Amino acid sequence: GQNIDQPTEMTATEGAIVQINCTYQTSGFNGLFWYQQHAGEAPTFLSYNVLDGLEEKGRFSSFLSRSKGYSYLLLKELQMKDSASYLCAVRDSGGKLIFGQGTELSVKP
Amino acid sequence: DGGITQSPKYLFRKEGQNVTLSCEQNLNHDAMYWYRQDPGQGLRLIYYSQIVNDFQKGDIAEGYSVSREKKESFPLTVTSAQKNPTAFYLCASSPTGTGGAGGYTFGSGTRLTVV
Repeated sequence: GQNIDQPTEMTATEGAIVQINCTYQTSGFNGLFWYQQHAGEAPTFLSYNVLDGLEEKGRFSSFLSRSKGYSYLLLKELQMKDSASYLCAVRDSGGKLIFGQGTELSVKP
Repeated sequence: DGGITQSPKYLFRKEGQNVTLSCEQNLNHDAMYWYRQDPGQGLRLIYYSQIVNDFQKGDIAEGYSVSREKKESFPLTVTSAQKNPTAFYLCASSPTGTGGAGGYTFGSGTRLTVV
């Protein structure tokens, strides 16, 4: 079967660092994506990993270990506007994205 | 500018009615997708199409139907057979192929409520 797991919710403090984990078991793997989604809006692309290692993009970084079926999204210097849902998604062998249930992040002052 | 347009943004349906959600893209993408999102949950795949005049069921296709007569358009009909249709519906498109950093481009979504 196909399964993508991430924590349901997390809370962090403004200015801090937070790591959102994602584990997956899918039929075929052609890359892992992280999206940000604010309530009532469409998801927006944050990062993409297809090889093992860390991809850095400003305050956001994403890590992938294919052998462990594991990824994380790292958010630094948290801002209030980072309060949102973060979706982990794996592209399967057919090109479709399979999404986890999302992690609701609350950033507090 | 290229993009993907969903309409309407809000839709109300009476019990027993069929309703159709529109999705149009001008990105020249071959593949298009429909997802459903319930509160506090991730996206679940309803239907997808990788080429004109062809489409496949996703994980939760029961009570829904689609058509793909044109590359640019992928409308979703929520039929009366769908017992719990109240949800946020997202349409997306992508280039063909399974590689590269090209993920999805999403529409802005349609919120459907049964009244």
